[in-house]
Amino acid sequence: DARVTQTPRHKVTEMGQEVTMRCQPILGHNTVFWYRQTMMQGLELLAYFRNRAPLDDSGMPKDRFSAEMPDATLATLKIQPSEPRDSAVYFCASGLWRGLMGTDTQYFGPGTRLTVL
Amino acid sequence: GQQVMQIPQYQHVQEGEDFTTYCNSSTTLSNIQWYKQRPGGHPVFLIQLVKSGEVKKQKRLTFQFGEAKKNSSLHITATQTTDVGTYFCAGRSGSARQLTFGSGTQLTVLP
Repeated sequence: DARVTQTPRHKVTEMGQEVTMRCQPILGHNTVFWYRQTMMQGLELLAYFRNRAPLDDSGMPKDRFSAEMPDATLATLKIQPSEPRDSAVYFCASGLWRGLMGTDTQYFGPGTRLTVL
Repeated sequence: GQQVMQIPQYQHVQEGEDFTTYCNSSTTLSNIQWYKQRPGGHPVFLIQLVKSGEVKKQKRLTFQFGEAKKNSSLHITATQTTDVGTYFCAGRSGSARQLTFGSGTQLTVLP
């Protein structure tokens, strides 16, 4: 049963520390998304990649957030330095893009619950 | 940019009552998807609608796509406690390269 995996599942850190979250997309999927979910803002798209190339990171605070795909099996989201307002659940999702007329279902990972003190 | 609005934000129902959530887009959509997120869980894909006026059913869940392809609804008949969670719609307009998620409707079912 293929699924998206994310590590760590929980992270508690202090303000100013660097945080790195990792995601392993489903094998064969060519699109990876990073979302942030909070009670106030709901589900926000931070960035997404297709075939490892970043297509859109307009939802991401550029000064402290960075997202990369060093290879097809790993996506990372880094926050440096972290702030209390970054506390949220960060979801990675992957999908198989077959063009505008195809189904672009997104398969979400279990999320990383980040708390910045 | 594309906006997808969902109402209501919260809904409490007694077990056995029906429930409906509505999704409206500022632009015409090429498709719309529905996801369910259980408390403490992650969004899980339920269904995709593509055709104007399309209606699909999954057991007690009925999904509709509007004739103008700018709105959609999810209706649950005779809710059960297992239906608890947040239901998201997500749509993509023809020119957009990714889905835009609605704000979700959080459903509570009281036993």
